[in-house]
Amino acid sequence: KAGVTQTPRYLIKTRGQQVTLSCSPISGHRSVSWYQQTPGQGLQFLFEYFSETQRNKGNFPGRFSGRQFSNSRSEMNVSTLELGDSALYLCASSLAPGSQETQYFGPGTRLLVL
Amino acid sequence: QKEVEQDPGPLSVPEGAIVSLNCTYSNSAFQYFMWYRQYSRKGPELLMYTYSSGNKEDGRFTAQVDKSSKYISLFIRDSQPSDSATYLCAMSGRKDQFYFGTGTSLTVIP
Repeated sequence: KAGVTQTPRYLIKTRGQQVTLSCSPISGHRSVSWYQQTPGQGLQFLFEYFSETQRNKGNFPGRFSGRQFSNSRSEMNVSTLELGDSALYLCASSLAPGSQETQYFGPGTRLLVL
Repeated sequence: QKEVEQDPGPLSVPEGAIVSLNCTYSNSAFQYFMWYRQYSRKGPELLMYTYSSGNKEDGRFTAQVDKSSKYISLFIRDSQPSDSATYLCAMSGRKDQFYFGTGTSLTVIP
């Protein structure tokens, strides 16, 4: 069974630009969560989607948004990029919300903001 | 104060050693606890998942939860070079949002 895939794997952007990251969950998984990982803060929860609806949201500004499609694929968007947005963005899928024991992470998209 | 505190290391041990990795937390409502392993340039992979207090063993790995002390541990017996990775703890109260530690970098020297 194919794992969680994320595209692109690497991105370089400049301040003020916007970026869209994509995540395809494991087949049959309907819940998708997004995380930001930085050396200083570690893994921080961004948001979780299930059945095309955002169920939970972490403590990030409104510049961070996401959506989920009917096939469970998800995208996240960051507008007006800042230098501090440079990070590894991880997507994780699970069968359903709250079933972290079934959660699998993708390899991440590494974003560098210059 | 962060919800979860984890010593970043780095930790370096000889092959065959017993490794102890730890996290402390401040929220007494946490009752779901997880340990992840993350290799370089990869996403985290779930190693252990425990609920409430007590021990859980899976092969060379043992997870311990002491809710009275707000302290969790992961023990690795007979450590192997392939165990070299960053280990992340995570925890939650109602499974709606998990809080992660910053990770401990482990190197097992052959």
